[in-house]
Amino acid sequence: EPEVTQTPSHQVTQMGQEVILRCVPISNHLYFYWYRQILGQKVEFLVSFYNNEISEKSEIFDDQFSVERPDGSNFTLKIRSTKLEDSAMYFCASSEYRVEGANVLTFGAGSRLTVL
Amino acid sequence: GNSVTQMEGPVTLSEEAFLTINCTYTATGYPSLFWYVQYPGEGLQLLLKATKADDKGSNKGFEATYRKETTSFHLEKGSVQVSDSAVYFCALRAGTYKYIFGTGTRLKVLA
Repeated sequence: EPEVTQTPSHQVTQMGQEVILRCVPISNHLYFYWYRQILGQKVEFLVSFYNNEISEKSEIFDDQFSVERPDGSNFTLKIRSTKLEDSAMYFCASSEYRVEGANVLTFGAGSRLTVL
Repeated sequence: GNSVTQMEGPVTLSEEAFLTINCTYTATGYPSLFWYVQYPGEGLQLLLKATKADDKGSNKGFEATYRKETTSFHLEKGSVQVSDSAVYFCALRAGTYKYIFGTGTRLKVLA
């Protein structure tokens, strides 16, 4: 069964460092997403991406964050200067098409980011 | 704004017990409702969904009915198994690209 793959599974970084989280969405999917979950808290929407541009973003997704689809297969989330509060599990997701009310996301296993 | 509230966990049950995990929502318009499950070390997987009022989603013995009058989408299973131990997330999608998730409820089933 097709799956969304994420790397790394766990990254530890120092505060202020740049981090890039990588995702390979399902090949025929057109919509891509990043979500995050701070330990013990809700799964929060960060950003959605379609046709090589951001289609929607949350208030969490500030100037420190950026997304890119550098080639036909990867979808990356970059955090320019990490803060302690960026420590979380980051989930990538993709979906095949946007049919109102029926859009289903397929999630990756997540990348755990620990900022020291 | 839109939001999802789930019951606090963890929920610990014996095998073959009846499961209910409560989920209520607040949304403008007519959201689609989902239950996702996360097994240890894995990503979130769609368990079931319902796209309009009175729809019942079902999968793997789990059921949830979209109740507009009570704004609820409670997850139920008649007889849980050890393999059902996981974290369950209720979510809604209302007219935008984003899903809104609850905090998740951890279920532990004991043999």
